[in-house]
Formats: sequence, structure tokens, C-alpha cells
Amino acid sequence: EAGVAQSPRYKIIEKRQSVAFWCNPISGHATLYWYQQILGQGPKLLIQFQNNGVVDDSQLPKDRFSAERLKGVDSTLKIQPAKLEDSAVYLCASSLDRLARGETQYFGPGTRLLVL
Amino acid sequence: GNSVTQMEGPVTLSEEAFLTINCTYTATGYPSLFWYVQYPGEGLQLLLKATKADDKGSNKGFEATYRKETTSFHLEKGSVQVSDSAVYFCALAGGSNYKLTFGKGTLLTVNP
Repeated sequence: EAGVAQSPRYKIIEKRQSVAFWCNPISGHATLYWYQQILGQGPKLLIQFQNNGVVDDSQLPKDRFSAERLKGVDSTLKIQPAKLEDSAVYLCASSLDRLARGETQYFGPGTRLLVL
Repeated sequence: GNSVTQMEGPVTLSEEAFLTINCTYTATGYPSLFWYVQYPGEGLQLLLKATKADDKGSNKGFEATYRKETTSFHLEKGSVQVSDSAVYFCALAGGSNYKLTFGKGTLLTVNP
């Protein structure tokens, strides 16, 4: 079974530029998550999709971050404009069903972003 | 809100030593508890989980027991190997959407 795919793996940009990350979840997984992991910290949920609808985006900085999941499969996360503090690893994860107790989330390899 | 506190690292052990990484949590209701592991250069992987009080999760020689009375989910392994060197994250899933809340992670280094 193929895992969660993410691209690019690495990205270096200057502040105020824009950047986009792509995620392809495990086939058949209805729920997709984007996390931000700052160096030395645990991942923090940015946004959660159930199919192509948003379930939770309470910690997404909506003035600069946006995400979409068209057709309920692939997803993109965009930052515009980027700030220095956005330097982090952006992780995508997917699961079969967010409402199932103990449901396992499967993580992709992440995109490491450096903002100069 | 929900939160997870885990043992500060880094932890350095010799091969075959006993490992404990402490994890305590604060949550409303009855969360599910997880340990994830991140090997160098790789993504997060589920190590083990427990979904209700007194459940024991186990995998690859690692164990953790869901203790509701002490709100803890400590990770243990009787004899660590060099290949266990990684960052370990304790996490809980709770609330209406079972959102994952992670601890800060504990770096484990095992020397031969």
C-alpha cells in the first residue's frame, strides 16, 4: 500500500514570497490533516479536512495560510506572504475516518521550509 | 484544552539498557493515547496506541499502559538497541474530531 506522498521535500524562499505544498493521501482515506512542526516541538494541527470539507482550521493563520482539498483527494497548503517564523516542517497525514476512536493517522515525509 | 507533557531529552543509553520515557496528559473526556516515532530522515510512524483505561499498547518490544488514575502513558522497553535511536512523541486524540495533540518529543540515542 502506498503511503502519504508530499512534495516538494525541501523549499527555500525569501520572506514575503509565496510557497505551496502538495499532499496525496493514502487511497480511500477520507480525512486529511496538515501539521506544522517547528524545530524542537511536536507537530501542531493547522487544518483538518473530511473529504473536501473543513472540519477544524482553528489554528490556521488565515491571513497568510490557505488550504484546499478539491475532489476530496489531493490537497495543497499555501503560504502567502511567508514570514521568517514559518520556517518549519509541514506534515501531511491521512486517516480512514476521523470519528473512529483510536483511528491511526499516517504521516507523509514532510516538506522542510526555510524562510530567509 | 488538551495537552501532553513528556520527559525532556535528550536521553542517552547504552545498548541493552532499560528505557522509560514519561508522558502525562490533560484532557476532557476519554482520549485515545499514542506513541509516534520519528527515525532520522523519516516521517512520523505510529509505534503503539491505547484507546481506553488500563489498555496496554505494545509493538517492537515497546509497551505503554493507559493509566487514567495518574493520567499517564509512559513508554518502556526492556532492552534498547542502537536501531531504536529516534525521536519519540507522545500524543492524545480527543474531542469531537479526535484531533491529535502532541508532546514536544524526546530524542533517544542508543550507543553500542
